[in-house]
Amino acid sequence: DQQVKQNSPSLSVQEGRISILNCDYTNSMFDYFLWYKKYPAEGPTFLISISSIKDKNEDGRFTVFLNKSAKHLSLHIVPSQPGDSAVYFCAASGTGGSYIPTFGRGTSLIVHP
Amino acid sequence: NAGVMQNPRHLVRRRGQEARLRCSPMKGHSHVYWYRQLPEEGLKFMVYLQKENIIDESGMPKERFSAEFPKEGPSILRIQQVVRGDSAAYFCASSPGHKRVEQYFGPGTRLTVT
Repeated sequence: DQQVKQNSPSLSVQEGRISILNCDYTNSMFDYFLWYKKYPAEGPTFLISISSIKDKNEDGRFTVFLNKSAKHLSLHIVPSQPGDSAVYFCAASGTGGSYIPTFGRGTSLIVHP
Repeated sequence: NAGVMQNPRHLVRRRGQEARLRCSPMKGHSHVYWYRQLPEEGLKFMVYLQKENIIDESGMPKERFSAEFPKEGPSILRIQQVVRGDSAAYFCASSPGHKRVEQYFGPGTRLTVT
């Protein structure tokens, strides 16, 4: 039972264009969301997070949008760069006893020069 | 400030042997988490520890797996009598607190059981 779903295993984008990575969740107790980036043979690296009291958080080229009613969040990368090519994991944590994040399966982003 | 360190990076074990994975958290971090990533899967939580205490082991298989985080030294994830299905990447993460903080991950240990 996947509580955090990343339905697109892969995404291919041209350099300079926008990359949009999507994530859906099912657990209403989740109220804190994170995105991690992972290169091959490395551990995940924290990218950006958002609390459920907000609907948008921006950090440079990265923006995360949260739609609580739809239980959906997305990560926008603009402009995309070849160095952004990596696997992106969405994670969610919440109240109700555990703050340990639940991870999605990841989306592999390829940015073509 | 060194990041999270894991060793070994690669570990090969025959079925039935023991695997011991080590994790040194970032300096100043007292919270350690272990995750497992199977091929084509996301990160699955296994266990959360603080110094000398297991806080949450709800993701840990009931048999053969154990973890510790002693007062001195690294956190250890131990897998006894390994089977082929244990082959995976094992990641350790640390954080300075537990609530609403991002975790910092190590490079992982890739375990291969032959």
